[in-house]
Amino acid sequence: SQTIHQWPATLVQPVGSPLSLECTVEGTSNPNLYWYRQAAGRGLQLLFYSVGIGQISSEVPQNLSASRPQDRQFILSSKKLLLSDSGFYLCAWSGTFRGEQFFGPGTRLTVL
Amino acid sequence: RKEVEQDPGPFNVPEGATVAFNCTYSNSASQSFFWYRQDCRKEPKLLMSVYSSGNEDGRFTAQLNRASQYISLLIRDSKLSDSATYLCVVNLLSGGYNKLIFGAGTRLAVHP
Repeated sequence: SQTIHQWPATLVQPVGSPLSLECTVEGTSNPNLYWYRQAAGRGLQLLFYSVGIGQISSEVPQNLSASRPQDRQFILSSKKLLLSDSGFYLCAWSGTFRGEQFFGPGTRLTVL
Repeated sequence: RKEVEQDPGPFNVPEGATVAFNCTYSNSASQSFFWYRQDCRKEPKLLMSVYSSGNEDGRFTAQLNRASQYISLLIRDSKLSDSATYLCVVNLLSGGYNKLIFGAGTRLAVHP
């Protein structure tokens, strides 16, 4: 069966510091991968998606970037965090024609 | 107009009650539909897909009306463990990938 891992689970970072969040998927090959952010009390906002190694598409302009160095690895980064980057970051994978997505446990980021 | 609209609730119901959630979507090109459940501070989890003919999974029944662009979820015999936020989700095939559009969620609180 497929599993998806994210780390770290929680993170507190100062404004202006860099960020690297990692997501890995097991038990499937060539998945579509997604990064979402959920601000407190809000809905999910799609940040990036990837259909293959090195292929990244951005949904919204921001100071975040994403990379996919391996088939089942997806990384979210920032060079300088802003207060507004605080939120719950979720990685998801999809592999079926119907498009349902399966989420990792998430990283709760607080920028102070 | 939001792409996926849900009543935010909260719905406060006693154990054993029947509760119904409604959802409308704006893009008639939406291809597939889902309900997700999200517990507090956790990742969303797929509850069930929604099919045009309607489908049932135990105490949960989902209905889709494509003409009205309306989706519903019925929970019978509510349990305390059903307390969560229920997300209505539609899938748009966009740019060659499955793009999920999430509603902001309807919160359910089941009390003894």
